[in-house]
Amino acid sequence: DTEVTQTPKHLVMGMTNKKSLKCEQHMGHRAMYWYKQKAKKPPELMFVYSYEKLSINESVPSRFSPECPNSSLLNLHLHALQPEDSALYLCASSTGPLAGGPSAKNIQYFGAGTRLSVL
Amino acid sequence: GQQVMQIPQYQHVQEGEDFTTYCNSSTTLSNIQWYKQRPGGHPVFLIQLVKSGEVKKQKRLTFQFGEAKKNSSLHITATQTTDVGTYFCAGLDSGGYQKVTFGTGTKLQVIP
Repeated sequence: DTEVTQTPKHLVMGMTNKKSLKCEQHMGHRAMYWYKQKAKKPPELMFVYSYEKLSINESVPSRFSPECPNSSLLNLHLHALQPEDSALYLCASSTGPLAGGPSAKNIQYFGAGTRLSVL
Repeated sequence: GQQVMQIPQYQHVQEGEDFTTYCNSSTTLSNIQWYKQRPGGHPVFLIQLVKSGEVKKQKRLTFQFGEAKKNSSLHITATQTTDVGTYFCAGLDSGGYQKVTFGTGTKLQVIP
């Protein structure tokens, strides 16, 4: 099973709302990621969790709050978003490992994404 | 920070023609990956190259990693309409962290 499941598929929210995006994988991967993708742009890394600990935060505004309850689940809590935050939010997972080197594998398995519109 | 550029940004080809996209990193990479994103879809992993000068083939697709490990290319022979999509290279920097930086992408349109 190489599936990463994201819910919801679509989300419309107002600037005062609080909502959460969910991501689940059952591949035994120990690294999970949140990316933001605007139209006609590449995925832009937001957060990386490694072994359920936040290892990378790409200076993301605090209105985005990630959470990794366990090794299979990843959430992204949204609060007081701005219209410019409208985008496709992609979750991904990978096997790791942490160290680099010629055998490093960091293949990203992406979910289908949540298309978010902030009004 | 690391920047990964791809050219061209867009390419329209007649079905059956060849297609090449080039990827250039501002820093030396430990490996390079290629992903394909169909319209309305999500990125799907195609291949990973690790060694300097490495060449890999997948049917009509040929992937190359430069000798200096700062550039890469993807060549598609005899394109088909199923090749339509945006092709991204993605580099893992030699620092060994888990940050994968995606290239700017090349959008391929195939005219039947």
